[in-house]
Amino acid sequence: GESVGLHLPTLSVQEGDNSIINCAYSNSASDYFIWYKQESGKGPQFIIDIRSNMDKRQGQRVTVLLNKTVKHLSLQIAATQPGDSAVYFCAENIDSGYSTLTFGKGTMLLVSP
Amino acid sequence: DGGITQSPKYLFRKEGQNVTLSCEQNLNHDAMYWYRQDPGQGLRLIYYSQIVNDFQKGDIAEGYSVSREKKESFPLTVTSAQKNPTAFYLCASSYRGINEKLFFGSGTQLSVL
Repeated sequence: GESVGLHLPTLSVQEGDNSIINCAYSNSASDYFIWYKQESGKGPQFIIDIRSNMDKRQGQRVTVLLNKTVKHLSLQIAATQPGDSAVYFCAENIDSGYSTLTFGKGTMLLVSP
Repeated sequence: DGGITQSPKYLFRKEGQNVTLSCEQNLNHDAMYWYRQDPGQGLRLIYYSQIVNDFQKGDIAEGYSVSREKKESFPLTVTSAQKNPTAFYLCASSYRGINEKLFFGSGTQLSVL
C-alpha cells in the first residue's frame, strides 16, 4: 500500500553550517541517482546527479555521496544559506533500464539566519 | 524553469467539469511527463510520452487523459472521473530516454470549488 504522510522529515540548521540530507533508496539494481531542490510553490530544480561507478561527486557547494553497500545516498551542502531552505528529494533509476525515475518523499531543510 | 512552461499557475474546477492543464517545452526534448504532488508526499507519475502520438500510463492514470500531437506540447486533462483532483501538478521533460534526469515546469495548483 501507499504510505501517506503530511509531515516531511525536517532538518533545521543555522546559516553558515554544513547540512547533510540523507536518502535511503529502494532498488539494489539502481545505478543512477539525482538530487532535486523544490522551493515552495515551484517546480523541482536539478542539483546534482551521480552514477554507481562513483562514490562521490562534487558541485558548487554541494557534494553527493553514494554508499551502494547500504543503499544510501547523501547530499552535503556547505555553508548553508537561507536561500537553501527548500524540500530536497532524491530520485533513482536503472541507467539502462526501461522504467521512469522513482522519487523519494523528501526532506525539508530550514535555514535560520 | 528550463524552457518548460505550464499554465495556468492556478486552476479551479467545478464538480463534473473537465479541465485541461497546458505544458509546452522548447528544449527539443523527446520525452514528457505529468506528475501529481500532494502535500508531504513524493511525486506520483500520471502519464508519460516518449515520442509524438504515443504515451503510457503511469502509477495513477485513472481519471486523467493526455495527448501528444506535437513534440513540444503534452496537455493533461483532469476529467470528472477524478474524484480527488486537488493537488499540485508538475510537467517535466527529458532529452531522450525515460531514465534520464528530468527538467520540471513551475507547476499548476488545481483546486476544487
